[in-house]
Amino acid sequence: AQSVTQLDSQVPVFEEAPVELRCNYSSSVSVYLFWYVQYPNQGLQLLLKYLSGSTLVESINGFEAEFNKSQTSFHLRKPSVHISDTAEYFCAVSEGKGYNKLIFGAGTRLAVHP
Amino acid sequence: DVKVTQSSRYLVKRTGEKVFLECVQDMDHENMFWYRQDPGLGLRLIYFSYDVKMKEKGDIPEGYSVSREKKERFSLILESASTNQTSMYLCASSRSGPNEKLFFGSGTQLSVL
Repeated sequence: AQSVTQLDSQVPVFEEAPVELRCNYSSSVSVYLFWYVQYPNQGLQLLLKYLSGSTLVESINGFEAEFNKSQTSFHLRKPSVHISDTAEYFCAVSEGKGYNKLIFGAGTRLAVHP
Repeated sequence: DVKVTQSSRYLVKRTGEKVFLECVQDMDHENMFWYRQDPGLGLRLIYFSYDVKMKEKGDIPEGYSVSREKKERFSLILESASTNQTSMYLCASSRSGPNEKLFFGSGTQLSVL
């Protein structure tokens, strides 16, 4: 069975500092990986996804994530965070078949301080 | 942009009541999902539907049922609400096929007293 582990429940960081949100998954088959973000009082929205090809994927707002098959990880990074990045971030995995079912991690709350 | 609308932002109900949570999407998506979100547990799938009148159990279906009579509407039903069903409920929709982006509603915070 698939599962997703987000190793940090909360990550406090100062503005303009780099950040890494960690995600590990377990699956016996090939997987597809996603990061969703939930801003305060809003629904989740897709940040980026890995389906195939280059193992480094980027979002439009400066986040990037690298798929590492040997370490079964998909960590999310940003070299310099902004106050507006304060949100909860969810890693998710899919087997890429059937009805688009995603398995989500427990979430990491990123708090950016001035 | 896709809009997924959940009928209530906050809901307070009593133990034993029958509760309906409504979700409507406006982009003709085939798939619709109900998740519950709890601190420290993330999102857990309750039920999903891939077509009108079709449904599949997710990971935690006990105590819930669903209805999808029209393509745009997916209802979550708590037949007899209990305090352990106090949670944030999120509805999502997507096009058919694997790896399609999920569009989420803003959620309904349900409190069962």
